[in-house]
Amino acid sequence: DSGVTQTPKHLITATGQRVTLRCSPRSGDLSVYWYQQSLDQGLQFLIQYYNGEERAKGNILERFSAQQFPDLHSELNLSSLELGDSALYFCASSLEGDTFFGPGTRLTVL
Amino acid sequence: TQLLEQSPQFLSIQEGENLTVYCNSSSVFSSLQWYRQEPGEGPVLLVTVVTGGEVKKLKRLTFQFGDARKDSSLHITAAQPGDTGLYLCAGGRGSGGSNYKLTFGKGTLLTVNP
Repeated sequence: DSGVTQTPKHLITATGQRVTLRCSPRSGDLSVYWYQQSLDQGLQFLIQYYNGEERAKGNILERFSAQQFPDLHSELNLSSLELGDSALYFCASSLEGDTFFGPGTRLTVL
Repeated sequence: TQLLEQSPQFLSIQEGENLTVYCNSSSVFSSLQWYRQEPGEGPVLLVTVVTGGEVKKLKRLTFQFGDARKDSSLHITAAQPGDTGLYLCAGGRGSGGSNYKLTFGKGTLLTVNP
């Protein structure tokens, strides 16, 4: 158990819909990262937050957004979903370098 | 452009064999992390190496960071079926804290057959 929690574990929805993925980092970790993993692309960095502020953006689509709340939990919002958004979405957290991943949310868009 | 190249992409061996997987880059990293991931699960951190030339051993696993901090290798001795999984390397940039960012390779999928 990495100490990073993610909900829900599985999510099935339809094209055009909007979903929210939730992440609670390890106790004390200030950085939260979101990654997308698909079979053909590997682990792709989406976005990083540090102590409530956005720090870095990766390959995140404009239809996707995230935020980190004062209690340091984070949410990733995915809207206008397309079939190609089906993937595993991971949250990770770190304090000074070692980065720990949550169990992921498997999103299936039908 | 893939900053981190992992090889081989796939590896299937028999229980008891030794193996080495590689992680190469043309870029310098401040640290290098290795993860193992099982299907449908999150990557699990195995080790972090930060010093050029550093060697770390975890039981049957030996990790090495290249002198120039551009490459790394993972050697497994006497592989067991429980070692099966996707091995990912990730190069870290930044000094830690708010500016730390990882770049992942695509991984080596290892299968150890009984």
